[in-house]
Amino acid sequence: EAGVVQSPRYKIIEKKQPVAFWCNPISGHNTLYWYLQNLGQGPELLIRYENEEAVDDSQLPKDRFSAERLKGVDSTLKIQPAELGDSAVYLCASSNRGYGYTFGSGTRLTVV
Amino acid sequence: EDKVVQSPLSLVVHEGDTVTLNCSYEVTNFRSLLWYKQEKKAPTFLFMLTSSGIEKKSGRLSSILDKKELFSILNITATQTGDSAIYLCALCSTLGRLYFGRGTQLTVWP
Repeated sequence: EAGVVQSPRYKIIEKKQPVAFWCNPISGHNTLYWYLQNLGQGPELLIRYENEEAVDDSQLPKDRFSAERLKGVDSTLKIQPAELGDSAVYLCASSNRGYGYTFGSGTRLTVV
Repeated sequence: EDKVVQSPLSLVVHEGDTVTLNCSYEVTNFRSLLWYKQEKKAPTFLFMLTSSGIEKKSGRLSSILDKKELFSILNITATQTGDSAIYLCALCSTLGRLYFGRGTQLTVWP
């Protein structure tokens, strides 16, 4: 069984440019999460989807961040425009109604 | 405010030593407590604890939860260099949301 797949693995962009991350969850997992992890910190939730509905996006900076999960499967997370402080690892995870949490390998974003 | 507090934040030991990592928490609507190992980027699942006093074991790793005192410990016996990683503790609420601590950076020297 394939795990949670994320792409790209690494991304370097200049500030003010847009960037997008993609996540394919484990088949059958209805819940999908995007986390941000800064160096030396634990992951922090950005947004949680139940199927295609965003049920918890209170931590998502909506002025520059957006996310979508069309058809309740794959998801994309976008930042526009990126700022230097957005440099971090962006982790995607999925679960089956809160059980069986599995993380993807993450995308390391560097904004220069 | 911090809902999950891990200690120590970093720990350096020699191979063969036994280590104990601590996780205290404050969360409403508790469902479970989870431990993860993070070596490069993706945290990998170690244990899920839901009941007090029942030890979970996997090889040299073990963990236990105390729901009355609101803490959990992760023990690693006979440490190896491959145990070097960040160990993350996370609380799962009944809504399915995970609250992570900052992690403990464990370094095992040969």
